[in-house]
Amino acid sequence: GQQVMQIPQYQHVQEGEDFTTYCNSSTTLSNIQWYKQRPGGHPVFLIQLVKSGEVKKQKRLTFQFGEAKKNSSLHITATQTTDVGTYFCAGLNSGGSNYKLTFGKGTLLTVNP
Amino acid sequence: NAGVTQTPKFQVLKTGQSMTLQCAQDMNHNSMYWYRQDPGMGLRLIYYSASEGTTDKGEVPNGYNVSRLNKREFSLRLESAAPSQTSVYFCASRSYASSSYGYTFGSGTRLTVV
Repeated sequence: GQQVMQIPQYQHVQEGEDFTTYCNSSTTLSNIQWYKQRPGGHPVFLIQLVKSGEVKKQKRLTFQFGEAKKNSSLHITATQTTDVGTYFCAGLNSGGSNYKLTFGKGTLLTVNP
Repeated sequence: NAGVTQTPKFQVLKTGQSMTLQCAQDMNHNSMYWYRQDPGMGLRLIYYSASEGTTDKGEVPNGYNVSRLNKREFSLRLESAAPSQTSVYFCASRSYASSSYGYTFGSGTRLTVV
């Protein structure tokens, strides 16, 4: 079945440093979504990417979807303590069920003030 | 505020006991989902309901049953709880009419089976 791999599993940074998490799928995706989960909380939807090579920005967050639609990345510029949490990517398999997202295992980001 | 409501928030069960986790959404979403989250395992799909009247198995359905009671409500039942079912359970919903197509998650049920 479809697998979505996410690296790194953990990342600890000093406040102000940049952070990037990468997501790779074993199959071509029709779209990819990103979620953030604060410690003790629930996942919250951040963004969806659909087009090959698409780049979207939300303030300090930059999301990219690869040309082959099999990989994606989330980059945070100048991290803040409010960025702490686990970031998940989730892919929808191209040609597969239109209802089932496959989640990566997430990257836990901790920020040292 | 509109969203996904899960009950209970916490539960401790003894091995072999049964229980039903409740989920309701008031956003008129078509699809609803049950996930479990375990440390280091990410979110794994248990069951989903693409629309009212339909349910399908996800990645880890064994030991669970679901009921899509109506468009708003989607319940998850553990018939005979096992320690391996100790986890955090999240319900989610999604609307295809929304341009974002993101899932809205409930706040979760933290279940311990002893």
